[in-house]
Amino acid sequence: DQQVKQNSPSLSVQEGRISILNCDYTNSMFDYFLWYKKYPAEGPTFLISISSIKDKNEDGRFTVFLNKSAKHLSLHIVPSQPGDSAVYFCAASSLTGGGADGLTFGKGTHLIIQP
Amino acid sequence: DARVTQTPRHKVTEMGQEVTMRCQPILGHNTVFWYRQTMMQGLELLAYFRNRAPLDDSGMPKDRFSAEMPDATLATLKIQPSEPRDSAVYFCASGLVNTGAIYGYTFGSGTRLTVV
Repeated sequence: DQQVKQNSPSLSVQEGRISILNCDYTNSMFDYFLWYKKYPAEGPTFLISISSIKDKNEDGRFTVFLNKSAKHLSLHIVPSQPGDSAVYFCAASSLTGGGADGLTFGKGTHLIIQP
Repeated sequence: DARVTQTPRHKVTEMGQEVTMRCQPILGHNTVFWYRQTMMQGLELLAYFRNRAPLDDSGMPKDRFSAEMPDATLATLKIQPSEPRDSAVYFCASGLVNTGAIYGYTFGSGTRLTVV
């Protein structure tokens, strides 16, 4: 039973345009959400996060939106750059647990930025 | 930059052989996780330790997998006997829980295991 779902295995976007990656979750206990970026042959690296008390968090070109009622979050990258080509993982945790019980990950979306 | 070091980076082994993967967490981090990445399941949590004590290994097949942390600088994941279905990339991650560890989870580069 996938508690965190990324329904698009891949996404192709032109350089300079907006990339939108989507994620859905089913566990109501999740109250903290993260996006990780992964290049081939490397481990995932933390990109941006959002707490359930917010509906938006922005960091430079990256913005994460959270819709709690729909149990949906999205990552916006604008403008998209060639270096953004990677696999993006959505992850969720329970902040009340201090995030100490590990992260539940989606299966990832492979973002390809085309020149 | 502090980093999580995993060895070996690649391992090819025959079915039935024992495999040991090692992880050196970031100095000062008190929580260590083992994850497995496969195409079908994505990133799955296998086990984790806090202050070297195992807290949860419910994600691991108990009959063949074991995880230990003999000291603060070394975590190991062992598979005995290995099977082809164990082929995956195994990641170790470490974090410091008492400062809001979610920010602090750092992943190693992984061990790519192939069992033939």
